[in-house]
Amino acid sequence: AQKVTQAQTEISVVEKEDVTLDCVYETRDTTYYLFWYKQPPSGELVFLIRRNSFDEQNEISGRYSWNFQKSTSSFNFTITASQVVDSAVYFCALSEARNTGNQFYFGTGTSLTVIP
Amino acid sequence: DTAVSQTPKYLVTQMGNDKSIKCEQNLGHDTMYWYKQDSKKFLKIMFSYNNKELIINETVPNRFSPKSPDKAHLNLHINSLELGDSAVYFCASSQYEGYNGYTFGSGTRLTVV
Repeated sequence: AQKVTQAQTEISVVEKEDVTLDCVYETRDTTYYLFWYKQPPSGELVFLIRRNSFDEQNEISGRYSWNFQKSTSSFNFTITASQVVDSAVYFCALSEARNTGNQFYFGTGTSLTVIP
Repeated sequence: DTAVSQTPKYLVTQMGNDKSIKCEQNLGHDTMYWYKQDSKKFLKIMFSYNNKELIINETVPNRFSPKSPDKAHLNLHINSLELGDSAVYFCASSQYEGYNGYTFGSGTRLTVV
């Protein structure tokens, strides 16, 4: 079973629109960590945020914000006033504390295209 | 200073050849990983080493052999390359309890022709 589901395969928005990328996870652990990574067209994987299971506070960083809801096992990512530079593939990932070797489970990614 | 460096960045080779990808990290992390990203962008773990000891070995053909001479290096050797091995291979590192996440290398795009 997929531990991290990103149901949106591709999203296109016009510049300056807001966009939310969905992430739903599945785990039986009480302690776990959630991450978002960005993969721009250049190909590298860039860390965006980490959230642990005990901290349900939403976080805002500039135009980026994250909504963590344990009740729905979701960790959604919103970009406000999108820009062309936001065009990338975004991955949500889960790490369970009981994991051997800190294995990450990645979602299948959401490809975001921001149209100028 | 590059935190996790992989070489080469691009690798084009013929079927049947043997090739290696090198990875080095200067972050002082004790755990390193190899991930494969296929054409659909799916990231799947292949191997994980903690202090030179293999701790994750997913279902990967025996043609793939990781080697970790020390905790700062994790190389990937591939024998008898096949067309299906074409992908982007990412090296990453973290602390064993990697709650701060992985740091990834820039990836190696392997094309087998």
